[in-house]
Amino acid sequence: AQKITQTQPGMFVQEKEAVTLDCTYDTSDPSYGLFWYKQPSSGEMIFLIYQGSYDQQNATEGRYSLNFQKARKSANLVISASQLGDSAMYFCAMREAGSGGGADGLTFGKGTHLIIQP
Amino acid sequence: NAGVTQTPKFQVLKTGQSMTLQCAQDMNHNSMYWYRQDPGMGLRLIYYSASEGTTDKGEVPNGYNVSRLNKREFSLRLESAAPSQTSVYFCASSEFRAGGDTQYFGPGTRLTVL
Repeated sequence: AQKITQTQPGMFVQEKEAVTLDCTYDTSDPSYGLFWYKQPSSGEMIFLIYQGSYDQQNATEGRYSLNFQKARKSANLVISASQLGDSAMYFCAMREAGSGGGADGLTFGKGTHLIIQP
Repeated sequence: NAGVTQTPKFQVLKTGQSMTLQCAQDMNHNSMYWYRQDPGMGLRLIYYSASEGTTDKGEVPNGYNVSRLNKREFSLRLESAAPSQTSVYFCASSEFRAGGDTQYFGPGTRLTVL
């Protein structure tokens, strides 16, 4: 079973609209972290936002917020007031504490290609 | 402060050739990682090093070896390249802590094996 599922291969959104990118995860580990990364066409991986499994409040970073619904195992990324520069691939990823204490890397979803239209 | 650097940026190999991808970080992080990204896929972990002197296999280690040369440097070696290893390779580093951590990625190496 996939550990990270992103069900939207591609999305088209009008500039200035809010965007929600879906992410569901699967883990039995009570301690885990959830991440979102942005990958523009230039190829680099840019960290956007982090949510820990024990965090009580949803994470926010500027225009980015993470809608964390623990019981549903959902960690959707919300981008408010989208801009043309938001066009990119977006990846959801998870780190489980596991046997490596969390140092054993991230598991990524397949990504969502977001295109912002003027 | 360069963050995570990778060399080379691009490389073309013939089947059977060997090469080493270099990675260095200047953030004094303990943990370092190698991932590969294939078209239409997210990143998959090849190897990681939780601290200097230790390395462990990730999800897709076959055909690769790694060396944690010191705290700053973590190299990935392909002993006998195969077309299936055509991919973009990313190195990352992080400082794990219970309150949360962030992996910082290098710019990637685009490798083609003919």
